Amino acid sequence: DTGVSQDPRHKITKRGQNVTFRCDPISEHNRLYWYRQTLGQGPEFLTYFQNEAQLEKSRLLSDRFSAERPKGSFSTLEIQRTEQGDSAMYLCASSSSKIVNEQFFGPGTRLTVL
Amino acid sequence: AQSVTQPDIHITVSEGASLELRCNYSYGATPYLFWYVQSPGQGLQLLLKYFSGDTLVQGIKGFEAEFKRSQSSFNLRKPSVHWSDAAEYFCAVAPRSNDYKLSFGAGTTVTVRA
Repeated sequence: DTGVSQDPRHKITKRGQNVTFRCDPISEHNRLYWYRQTLGQGPEFLTYFQNEAQLEKSRLLSDRFSAERPKGSFSTLEIQRTEQGDSAMYLCASSSSKIVNEQFFGPGTRLTVL
Repeated sequence: AQSVTQPDIHITVSEGASLELRCNYSYGATPYLFWYVQSPGQGLQLLLKYFSGDTLVQGIKGFEAEFKRSQSSFNLRKPSVHWSDAAEYFCAVAPRSNDYKLSFGAGTTVTVRA
């Protein structure tokens, strides 16, 4: 296992389009997280799954954003009707509930909304 | 309000010199504390973490950090930097009640000059 993977690594889209990102966590990890990172800032928490259950959503996650983890393995993050303000790096992380909050991050998906 | 502050946006250090990166937090109770490093095109990598016990924590790549409760600080140090240490460093905290929820500082960019 080579760690958390994310696809695509880069996405350029036009305003108003929908985009979907995928995250594959480390296989034995039951916790999965999404963060957003804008230029010059640290990552900001968006949402958290334990197995397939989405246990918390940040107020940053507007109605246009939806995340799923249908089988408790990979996760998708969809943004509908993208806006220029959605341009950011979207990071996925995973961890095991057996080890207190040691999160392993993927390389991220960089979204550019034109 | 809860916050994480990294006062230095950018630090330049000579190769072989020592490095100290500052982190201050404002939380109701001592949170879990972390330092992550992010290199260009790479995911965030955990350097070290503090949960309890010895206030001087050893991490990977020769880094250490010291927790000072009286100063609400968790500063990162390295005695002798290498050119490969050039990266962005993030301090992060998580409340003990919701340990999955990392809050990051804005980061410190480290440049290493020959």
